[in-house]
Amino acid sequence: NAGVTQTPKFQVLKTGQSMTLQCAQDMNHNSMYWYRQDPGMGLRLIYYSASEGTTDKGEVPNGYNVSRLNKREFSLRLESAAPSQTSVYFCASLWGQSNQPQHFGDGTRLSIL
Amino acid sequence: DQQVKQNSPSLSVQEGRISILNCDYTNSMFDYFLWYKKYPAEGPTFLISISSIKDKNEDGRFTVFLNKSAKHLSLHIVPSQPGDSAVYFCAASAEGGSNYKLTFGKGTLLTVNP
Repeated sequence: NAGVTQTPKFQVLKTGQSMTLQCAQDMNHNSMYWYRQDPGMGLRLIYYSASEGTTDKGEVPNGYNVSRLNKREFSLRLESAAPSQTSVYFCASLWGQSNQPQHFGDGTRLSIL
Repeated sequence: DQQVKQNSPSLSVQEGRISILNCDYTNSMFDYFLWYKKYPAEGPTFLISISSIKDKNEDGRFTVFLNKSAKHLSLHIVPSQPGDSAVYFCAASAEGGSNYKLTFGKGTLLTVNP
């Protein structure tokens, strides 16, 4: 029972490089989310996908793009990485669309030099 | 503008005693509240939730209280155990639908001392 799987777990990039963070869930959930967590901050929503085929911006979308590849997979792309994007990135999923807990992956720790 | 506030970055309690973690919110549209627990190098895991139609929800050692007039909720852990040591995030959402999103507080690091 994998739940939400994120790859890779760790990555170091140089400024200007591009990277795609992968997320897959096996719970047949409809909605998926990308968050970032920085020291002393809560989780901030980057992008979300309420259902397959739709994506919307969250609180901090600048510098990121997303793709909802199918119902299971939701990827996050950094086209030109910047040091300010050094963070821990979490993917989450949700079966329905309201008043339910989101299920989180274990995160991708990304450092940009 | 921080809509969900956890004003205590850290809390230390003795094993067996009560832990009380607090959370305040400013958005009166929030109607569902959750607590997540997070260990280092892991993702947040859901702990307990409460709907705005209730003022208390209990699950084993964990109880969440909601005071809507004060826009305040708290998580009580009784008795506290060393394994409860983690960061606790309060989260809130407004009415569901296709825009269902959670807004998180900054977290409180709970340390339970043996």
